[in-house]
Amino acid sequence: GNSVTQMEGPVTLSEEAFLTINCTYTATGYPSLFWYVQYPGEGLQLLLKATKADDKGSNKGFEATYRKETTSFHLEKGSVQVSDSAVYFCALLTSGTYKYIFGTGTRLKVLA
Amino acid sequence: DVKVTQSSRYLVKRTGEKVFLECVQDMDHENMFWYRQDPGLGLRLIYFSYDVKMKEKGDIPEGYSVSREKKERFSLILESASTNQTSMYLCASSLRGGPLITDTQYFGPGTRLTVL
Repeated sequence: GNSVTQMEGPVTLSEEAFLTINCTYTATGYPSLFWYVQYPGEGLQLLLKATKADDKGSNKGFEATYRKETTSFHLEKGSVQVSDSAVYFCALLTSGTYKYIFGTGTRLKVLA
Repeated sequence: DVKVTQSSRYLVKRTGEKVFLECVQDMDHENMFWYRQDPGLGLRLIYFSYDVKMKEKGDIPEGYSVSREKKERFSLILESASTNQTSMYLCASSLRGGPLITDTQYFGPGTRLTVL
């Protein structure tokens, strides 16, 4: 079945460090891929998405590229800020279905 | 901006009580979802609705039911609350109806339910 695997957290970085959060997936067909972010005390909100192979999603300095050959959608940011501290969820949605498949989430903590 | 609101941020109930969690969205979305979020397990889909009075079971529907009498409102009901239903409950909505869904889900802030 479809699944999403994320690196386990927590990830602790100093401000201005480079961030990578790994995400790999298993899916039939050609899924859309998403990164959602959950700030403390809030619900999830869309950070970025990509709907086909080689697409790059980007938002707020974060980027992720849809790699079909490696079934990956790793999240990157060149210079993190304290305000980026949150939980990040990778998710997929297979065309023709309604069910999003979420990863277990990766907690990021950025220290000043 | 899409706004999804949930009736309570925090709720404490006793075992055996009937619990209602309400969710309202203001953007005329067809699809609405209820998830529970638990540490190490991510988000798990409880129920989904793609139209008024229509519902489908998600991955973990046992012990829950839902109601969608109006397009903007989707209620989650715990018929007889148990301690293993202590969790964070998240409601979400998305724009398109039917099976061909590619749209973003918009989430409410969540309700943290504790069952004693």
